[in-house]
Amino acid sequence: AQSVTQLDSQVPVFEEAPVELRCNYSSSVSVYLFWYVQYPNQGLQLLLKYLSGSTLVKGINGFEAEFNKSQTSFHLRKPSVHISDTAEYFCAVSRGGNLIFGKGTKLSVKP
Amino acid sequence: ETGVTQSPTHLIKTRGQQVTLRCSSQSGHNTVSWYQQALGQGPQFIFQYYREEENGRGNFPPRFSGLQFPNYSSELNVNALELDDSALYLCASMHGTDYGYTFGSGTRLTVV
Repeated sequence: AQSVTQLDSQVPVFEEAPVELRCNYSSSVSVYLFWYVQYPNQGLQLLLKYLSGSTLVKGINGFEAEFNKSQTSFHLRKPSVHISDTAEYFCAVSRGGNLIFGKGTKLSVKP
Repeated sequence: ETGVTQSPTHLIKTRGQQVTLRCSSQSGHNTVSWYQQALGQGPQFIFQYYREEENGRGNFPPRFSGLQFPNYSSELNVNALELDDSALYLCASMHGTDYGYTFGSGTRLTVV
């Protein structure tokens, strides 16, 4: 069975600082990996996805993630955050169609 | 692209009642999935439809059922509502197999 662990439930950070949101997955087979963002009272928006190929994936809004098969991780990074990045971020894994989500990390960017 | 539209946005129901939630997907998106997101949790997969046939189901009881229509719209039906069914219900659609799911803004269901 596949599962996703987001290691931090909340991450406070100052504006223009770098941030890393951590995600580990468990699966005995190859999977696809995703990061979604959810702003208050909204649905989920895809930030980036890893299906195959280069392990460094670039997404929207300046975010990127690195797939590390040996550590079964898919951490999300941004070199300089804005106030507008305040939201909840979900890591997800898929094999065969449906998405399995982690519990989410709330990113709070302070001025 | 018109995105994924869900209706209603909010709904309050009484325990034991039945509810139908609706989703209108983008043209050409022949895969639609429904997710339940309880407060403070990540979304949980309910079921998926591909070309009007259910082709995947999560750990939800049979009182959760769905339909997908040829015009790319779909429904989630929940019978015999329980208090624990209170959640945000998300619809997501996808074109082909690119895993580029587009999510709607959800329906917030409150069961009292």
